[in-house]
Amino acid sequence: GAVVSQHPSWVICKSGTSVKIECRSLDFQATTMFWYRQFPKQSLMLMATSNEGSKATYEQGVEKDKFLINHASLTLSTLTVTSAHPEDSSFYICSAGETTGTDTQYFGPGTRLTVL
Amino acid sequence: LAKTTQPISMDSYEGQEVNITCSHNNIATNDYITWYQQFPSQGPRFIIQGYKTKVTNEVASLFIPADRKSSTLSLPRVSLSDTAVYYCLVGAPARQLTFGSGTQLTVLP
Repeated sequence: GAVVSQHPSWVICKSGTSVKIECRSLDFQATTMFWYRQFPKQSLMLMATSNEGSKATYEQGVEKDKFLINHASLTLSTLTVTSAHPEDSSFYICSAGETTGTDTQYFGPGTRLTVL
Repeated sequence: LAKTTQPISMDSYEGQEVNITCSHNNIATNDYITWYQQFPSQGPRFIIQGYKTKVTNEVASLFIPADRKSSTLSLPRVSLSDTAVYYCLVGAPARQLTFGSGTQLTVLP
């Protein structure tokens, strides 16, 4: 199947700093990518839909000014957590789908963010 | 978005066949059914996808009845490394997926 990568795989930062997470589709182009967040022992929660060349669509309750999403190319979407706080510590996962037929979503390996 | 219901947990022994059933009563005409496997601290891994009837690949089979209101993931001869959370999702192409609670499968020696 298609491969989606994320970078970094883990990051530790101080409270108040910003962190950027990259999501790349390695062998296919994706006009749409999705960002999820997962807390320990919980399921994945959709945060936003990243659309290439346009603004992201955020789920209810997700602050768009805090979680900045940029989808500048068909293979790269970035999530920037601005002014991070300890409650933002979580596992962030992106997904992308091949735009063929069923558009099966493939997920990245995730990024563990720890805010001190 | 269709809601899915799965058992919270299941136990099995090595070498057994495991069947995990998911109900999705409100599935829409253009929705596909997709199953993912997730290990701790990893992103979900695609297992299998189907629309109707039966689909089989090298790791699993997916059974979908005619009314498509449920589906069953079948894992043949599980091993300890199959211990994971399994998610059933329904959705249309290019649409976001809504994750339910998933099924924690524990394979015992």
